[in-house]
Amino acid sequence: KAGVTQTPRYLIKTRGQQVTLSCSPISGHRSVSWYQQTPGQGLQFLFEYFSETQRNKGNFPGRFSGRQFSNSRSEMNVSTLELGDSALYLCASSLDGGAGQQFFGPGTRLTVL
Amino acid sequence: KQEVTQIPAALSVPEGENLVLNCSFTDSAIYNLQWFRQDPGKGLTSLLLIQSSQREQTSGRLNASLDKSSGRSTLYIAASQPGDSATYLCAAFNGSGNTGKLIFGQGTTLQVKP
Repeated sequence: KAGVTQTPRYLIKTRGQQVTLSCSPISGHRSVSWYQQTPGQGLQFLFEYFSETQRNKGNFPGRFSGRQFSNSRSEMNVSTLELGDSALYLCASSLDGGAGQQFFGPGTRLTVL
Repeated sequence: KQEVTQIPAALSVPEGENLVLNCSFTDSAIYNLQWFRQDPGKGLTSLLLIQSSQREQTSGRLNASLDKSSGRSTLYIAASQPGDSATYLCAAFNGSGNTGKLIFGQGTTLQVKP
């Protein structure tokens, strides 16, 4: 079974731009969660999507948004990029969310100049 | 508010040693606790998942325990190898109903010297 895939793997953007990251969960998984990893803050939860609906949201500004499609693939968008948005963005998939085991993708490394 | 702490932040051991990584959490109302491994610049690899009703889980040379009453989990690695060098993260799953989130510790970076 293929694992979680994330595209692109690396991105370089400048301040003020916007970016869209994509995540394809494991086949059959309907829950996708997004996390941000930085050296200073560690791993922090952004949001979770299940059956095209946002079920849970972390403490991030409204510049961070996401969506999920009918095939469970998910995208997250960051608008008006700031230097502090430079991070590794990880998505995790699970069968139905909740307390099920979560499987992470390789991440997208975003650098904001 | 759940807080997860991992001690030590870094650990260096010679090959072959048995070692224990510690994880503590402040809110015992967790659904489960997961241990992950992260290699530099890479994503997370799930190692072990312990449900809140369980006390331990084993996979190969790895054994993880969970004590909800004391808010502690340990990851035991037997006969360490250089290939075990990585950052190990524990994460407590907190939520309500059908949703929740993983709260991560800062990780323990392990170096196993040949």
